[in-house]
Amino acid sequence: EAGVVQSPRYKIIEKKQPVAFWCNPISGHNTLYWYLQNLGQGPELLIRYENEEAVDDSQLPKDRFSAERLKGVDSTLKIQPAELGDSAVYLCASSSSGNRNEQFFGPGTRLTVL
Amino acid sequence: QKEVEQNSGPLSVPEGAIASLNCTYSDRGSQSFFWYRQYSGKSPELIMSIYSNGDKEDGRFTAQLNKASQYVSLLIRDSQPSDSATYLCASFYGQNFVFGPGTRLSVLP
Repeated sequence: EAGVVQSPRYKIIEKKQPVAFWCNPISGHNTLYWYLQNLGQGPELLIRYENEEAVDDSQLPKDRFSAERLKGVDSTLKIQPAELGDSAVYLCASSSSGNRNEQFFGPGTRLTVL
Repeated sequence: QKEVEQNSGPLSVPEGAIASLNCTYSDRGSQSFFWYRQYSGKSPELIMSIYSNGDKEDGRFTAQLNKASQYVSLLIRDSQPSDSATYLCASFYGQNFVFGPGTRLSVLP
């Protein structure tokens, strides 16, 4: 079974530029999460999807961040414009309600904003 | 504010010893708990889940949960240098996960 797929793995951009991250969850997983992880800290939730519906986006900075999950499968997270403080690892994870909520992470995208 | 606390370490143990990692959580409504291992530069990898009070063993790993004390632990028996990583504790409540900052474990050959 394929795991969570993310791309790109690394991205370097200048501040004020836009950037987008893509995630394909494990097949059959209806719940998809986007997290941000800074060095030395645990992942912090940005947004959670149940199928195609964003059911928790309370921690998403909506002035510059947006996300979508069309057709309830893969998802895109966008930042526009990026700021220096956005440099971090962006993790996508998925889980299935039928699997006791075990959550699996993709490899992440390391973003550097110059 | 739901919080999960862990000692950031580093925790150093000699090869072959038992490593004990601890975690406390603030929300009594938390339903289940997970331990993730994260190697440097990699993403978190699920290694243990525990849902009820008591112990759960899987190979060299034992997770312990005490809901009355709001305490979760992970024991790693016969520690190996390959166990050197950061271990993240997570609680699950209301469909969301709350992660601790992680404990860095170093197993010395």
